[in-house]
Amino acid sequence: DTAVSQTPKYLVTQMGNDKSIKCEQNLGHDTMYWYKQDSKKFLKIMFSYNNKELIINETVPNRFSPKSPDKAHLNLHINSLELGDSAVYFCASSQRTGGQTGELFFGEGSRLTVL
Amino acid sequence: AQSVTQPDIHITVSEGASLELRCNYSYGATPYLFWYVQSPGQGLQLLLKYFSGDTLVQGIKGFEAEFKRSQSSFNLRKPSVHWSDAAEYFCAVGGGKSTFGDGTTLTVKP
Repeated sequence: DTAVSQTPKYLVTQMGNDKSIKCEQNLGHDTMYWYKQDSKKFLKIMFSYNNKELIINETVPNRFSPKSPDKAHLNLHINSLELGDSAVYFCASSQRTGGQTGELFFGEGSRLTVL
Repeated sequence: AQSVTQPDIHITVSEGASLELRCNYSYGATPYLFWYVQSPGQGLQLLLKYFSGDTLVQGIKGFEAEFKRSQSSFNLRKPSVHWSDAAEYFCAVGGGKSTFGDGTTLTVKP
């Protein structure tokens, strides 16, 4: 059983379209994240949810909307896609320990290409 | 604000040689520190972590790292590199949210 699974693995779409990426974790963690990895491999946190509550919202365009229906799922919807949205999006989960973020468990990534 | 610096963008070593990847962090208290590895087309996998206690931590695949508070460093080492170690390596600090360094690309020469 995959600990953190995200779908789809690849998306190719036109500018202006809307797309969604889904993520599920079976580790029982209370916190889930979306990270964006650009072409230079820089990893930047976008959002974090703790028990379905949004706790981190970095300066991300409001075309990006995360949703967490329960603590095992975190989805990412992107409206009006732009060329600059092309990247690999990683879902991750962790258990907060002692007030800090613990080890992150990552999905395999969803590579989004906007044409 | 917490931050992580990996000074080396790209390192090339010969197979069998030793390896050290540098990581410096900024954090107000004793941080949780991590090293992750990313193989091409894959997600990130934890190599090792430091929370407290012994400052020399052992990880998977023969890697180790040493936490040095006085230098705000958490360098990753391996005594003998294998061709399969070629990958992207990320240092991260826990804190309120995990912050990653920009990564170091490791190339292994035969």
